[in-house]
Amino acid sequence: EADIYQTPRYLVIGTGKKITLECSQTMGHDKMYWYQQDPGMELHLIHYSYGVNSTEKGDLSSESTVSRIRTEHFPLTLESARPSHTSQYLCASSGNRDRETSGTTDTQYFGPGTRLTVL
Amino acid sequence: KNQVEQSPQSLIILEGKNCTLQCNYTVSPFSNLRWYKQDTGRGPVSLTIMTFSENTKSNGRYTATLDADTKQSSLHITASQLSDSASYICVVSDRGSTLGRLYFGRGTQLTVWP
Repeated sequence: EADIYQTPRYLVIGTGKKITLECSQTMGHDKMYWYQQDPGMELHLIHYSYGVNSTEKGDLSSESTVSRIRTEHFPLTLESARPSHTSQYLCASSGNRDRETSGTTDTQYFGPGTRLTVL
Repeated sequence: KNQVEQSPQSLIILEGKNCTLQCNYTVSPFSNLRWYKQDTGRGPVSLTIMTFSENTKSNGRYTATLDADTKQSSLHITASQLSDSASYICVVSDRGSTLGRLYFGRGTQLTVWP
């Protein structure tokens, strides 16, 4: 069963609308991430957080903003959506305890993604 | 420049056949390398993770190899199944920051035909 959730899974919206993409994880992970992925392309990091009240911009410039008020919740907001924002948005989380290796390699666990289309 | 290159870009094989996917990277300093499987419309799921000292690691029908000297990795899939159809992404992590910066390849799109 998935431990990291994203809603909505699909969103079609008109230009200029404000949208919030939700991401929640139940693994108690301190680090969370937002990626943007276009078809056939690599994932690009747009935001990340080390913990509550910590947010940083990633490598790819994005007009979106994020907040981290609770450990389990990391929503992404676009104040005014544009067609150029059409993409898949993936949320991920990682923690110091790695389920695969029992070490500290910080594997990132991804949500199912939100496919955003701005008309 | 830190990069991850994957080949081939796409691959079609018949069910039951084996295949090998390649990953070359220039990331330095190296921390670990992961292979992820991403089904269409879903988030990536980790298949294997290897650190500098590991040469090979298996997960069922998936076997990953790592040559840290030549900075190459491969993912071998044995006795392919229709459910193996997906994008396979090579991800390399560096040791240059607390975040453990990840570098993603563009993936190899594998299609398994019956």
